[in-house]
Amino acid sequence: EAQVTQNPRYLITVTGKKLTVTCSQNMNHEYMSWYRQDPGLGLRQIYYSMNVEVTDKGDVPEGYKVSRKEKRNFPLILESPSPNQTSLYFCASSTHRTGGNTEAFFGQGTRLTVV
Amino acid sequence: SQKIEQNSEALNIQEGKTATLTCNYTNYSPAYLQWYRQDPGRGPVFLLLIRENEKEKRKERLKVTFDTTLKQSLFHITASQPADSATYLCALEYGNKLVFGAGTILRVKS
Repeated sequence: EAQVTQNPRYLITVTGKKLTVTCSQNMNHEYMSWYRQDPGLGLRQIYYSMNVEVTDKGDVPEGYKVSRKEKRNFPLILESPSPNQTSLYFCASSTHRTGGNTEAFFGQGTRLTVV
Repeated sequence: SQKIEQNSEALNIQEGKTATLTCNYTNYSPAYLQWYRQDPGRGPVFLLLIRENEKEKRKERLKVTFDTTLKQSLFHITASQPADSATYLCALEYGNKLVFGAGTILRVKS
């Protein structure tokens, strides 16, 4: 089954404690991205990657890091989480390198709470 | 930067009627526009993609229009059902990014 898998689904952590949210896709997609979703603000892109070892900032990259060492994996790293990073996070992938002219497949989401 | 506007107020309609949702955008002329459905706590699911040279696209009970002059897309669900109740997001290509609107909540009452 074609899917994007995120882990964990739920996470409560304390301010400053480094964490990683994993994302893996089994569709051999080139393009992967991370979004955060907050009430009233919709989905905002954090980082995206057009291929292995190619990553770039989205609209809200501050406080986040990513890496793309393998095509299937695109982890999101919060080096020093803060309460304003409490949000619902989604990983997505698509076939086309620009991500715009083919459908995006989304993961199930990770609900992160930073206290 | 690109700005996408969708009706912030929920749309409440009666079962069997046609739901029409609006997506307006500024500061850009995208080559593609997409619509997604999102259920509470779940990831968005792709519905339709329309290209700038296409005026209209249909899929079963769904229809999307794309007016590049007005910078607007309309999303229609005909013969709506309670199961269509969800948040609907429009998204467009902006450079190398896919940018989303905040979405419109649709509630279909039986």
